[in-house]
Amino acid sequence: NAGVTQTPKFRVLKTGQSMTLLCAQDMNHEYMYWYRQDPGMGLRLIHYSVGEGTTAKGEVPDGYNVSRLKKQNFLLGLESAAPSQTSVYFCASSQLAEAQHFGDGTRLSIL
Amino acid sequence: AQRVTQPEKLLSVFKGAPVELKCNYSYSGSPELFWYVQYSRQRLQLLLRHISRESIKGFTADLNKGETSFHLKKPFAQEEDSAMYYCALTVSSGGSNYKLTFGKGTLLTVNP
Repeated sequence: NAGVTQTPKFRVLKTGQSMTLLCAQDMNHEYMYWYRQDPGMGLRLIHYSVGEGTTAKGEVPDGYNVSRLKKQNFLLGLESAAPSQTSVYFCASSQLAEAQHFGDGTRLSIL
Repeated sequence: AQRVTQPEKLLSVFKGAPVELKCNYSYSGSPELFWYVQYSRQRLQLLLRHISRESIKGFTADLNKGETSFHLKKPFAQEEDSAMYYCALTVSSGGSNYKLTFGKGTLLTVNP
């Protein structure tokens, strides 16, 4: 039982490049979330999903897109990476109001 | 909108000393509150939630609705408690959507 798995773990991009971060959960959770973690800012919600085929904006959605084509997967896309998007990205999943389970994070650097 | 405030960015104590990490929230309804812990370069883990009223790793937290606080306490800190601690609040945002709002975190260092 892997829980929440994020790939890749590390990535370096050049400004303007695009990429997709993958999140997979094997707990059959309805809800999935993408956060970014920055020093002194805590965790901020980027986008979330309350079920397959649905997505919604969080606190800091600009510059990101998401998709939830399958219940177990939640993809985070950067269409044109900017240095301000250098961060550690965490995916999480939960069942209704139960505690969220987090992945190991993806360290993304944009030069 | 809901908000979680952790007034201390850094907290340093000696091993064996009591520790209290403060958390205040603003929300007009009945929130659910959590403490998450993140050890160095690891994933966030749930430490405890107020509805379970458990003691995990010697930590406890009591929800004080009058003071809108959910402070985390441990009577005798250990070096392995050194970590980043996040207080978080979840509420239903229309229908059955549950979003988690995090505080900015407190980095606890327990010195030998």
